[in-house]
Amino acid sequence: GAGVSQTPSNKVTEKGKYVELRCDPISGHTALYWYRQSLGQGPEFLIYFQGTGAADDSGLPNDRFFAVRPEGSVSTLKIQRTERGDSAVYLCASSLGGGSGRQETQYFGPGTRLLVL
Amino acid sequence: AQSVTQLDSQVPVFEEAPVELRCNYSSSVSVYLFWYVQYPNQGLQLLLKYLSGSTLVKGINGFEAEFNKSQTSFHLRKPSVHISDTAEYFCAVKGNTGFQKLVFGTGTRLLVSP
Repeated sequence: GAGVSQTPSNKVTEKGKYVELRCDPISGHTALYWYRQSLGQGPEFLIYFQGTGAADDSGLPNDRFFAVRPEGSVSTLKIQRTERGDSAVYLCASSLGGGSGRQETQYFGPGTRLLVL
Repeated sequence: AQSVTQLDSQVPVFEEAPVELRCNYSSSVSVYLFWYVQYPNQGLQLLLKYLSGSTLVKGINGFEAEFNKSQTSFHLRKPSVHISDTAEYFCAVKGNTGFQKLVFGTGTRLLVSP
């Protein structure tokens, strides 16, 4: 019973570079979420996928951030022209469905710690 | 939209003492409420959740929380803490219709000392 996995666990990059962060959700979970956690803060919602489509991307801070989930399982968060302010822990979560009831529980991965120098 | 307030950024307590971590929320619609725990360099783990029904919710590791609609609170309690409970605790809320974002508080660091 594997949980949510994320790779890499740590990523150091230089300002202006492009990065990709990967998330493998729990098998069978149709909903997938990305969050960003800055130092000393709670996680902040970025984007939600239901299946292959982005159902809500209202949390993406700007057009440098993009995420895909082409086959409805693995998702990749892509950040172009990284800035020092993008440094944070990026968390991925999945849930059985996006509807109501017990399906609402989101299970989190360990996160990717991104440092932009 | 929803919001969560965790007024205590840090709560120091001695081992075997009781503890309460406070959480207040704001919402114009009915909500689901959650407590997550985050150990150093790890992801968030669900402690407990309130979806409906009994307002007293029991979770893992001996934690419990009580939903109080009139006071818009969902405080987390444990009667006797252990050193291993030292971690960051996050309260979270979401509206209970359709898709609504999970909104987190800023967290409370529980420091248990011997």
